[in-house]
Amino acid sequence: GNSVTQMEGPVTLSEEAFLTINCTYTATGYPSLFWYVQYPGEGLQLLLKATKADDKGSNKGFEATYRKETTSFHLEKGSVQVSDSAVYFCALKMETSGSRLTFGEGTQLTVNP
Amino acid sequence: DTAVSQTPKYLVTQMGNDKSIKCEQNLGHDTMYWYKQDSKKFLKIMFSYNNKELIINETVPNRFSPKSPDKAHLNLHINSLELGDSAVYFCASSLLGRTDTQYFGPGTRLTVL
Repeated sequence: GNSVTQMEGPVTLSEEAFLTINCTYTATGYPSLFWYVQYPGEGLQLLLKATKADDKGSNKGFEATYRKETTSFHLEKGSVQVSDSAVYFCALKMETSGSRLTFGEGTQLTVNP
Repeated sequence: DTAVSQTPKYLVTQMGNDKSIKCEQNLGHDTMYWYKQDSKKFLKIMFSYNNKELIINETVPNRFSPKSPDKAHLNLHINSLELGDSAVYFCASSLLGRTDTQYFGPGTRLTVL
């Protein structure tokens, strides 16, 4: 079946540090890939997405590139802020599976001043 | 205007009770979903409806029964609540396509005592 694996958390960084959260996937076919963010006490918000190989999604300084050869969609940000503290979820979506999202385990990010 | 709304936001109830959670979306989407987020933040699909028809029904106890009176609403009724049902339940909506973004509601935190 389809699955998503994220790097284990939690991740703690100082403000202005570089962030990478690894995400790899297994899918039979060509999924769309998403990063969602969940701030404390809130629902999930789309952060960025990519719908085909070599696409780069970007938003709010975050980037991720859809790498078909390594089945990866790693999230990066050059300089994190305290306000980026949240749980980050990598997910994939296949048309054949009723368009459900299959999520990774989530990675808790804490950014200290 | 809230895109995907859920009520109630918090639900505290005794074991054995029956409760409902309501969800509404004003995005004109044709597909709605229920996800369950456990205490470790893991998210899993429960149900999905497309144009009021059930298209995803994961391995969920029969005590959970979704109902979609129209394309803009998807409610979740839970009978005979158990301690293990305590979780955050998220409603989401999207168009039915591989590339389409799912939009999430704010979540309903259910606590069964």
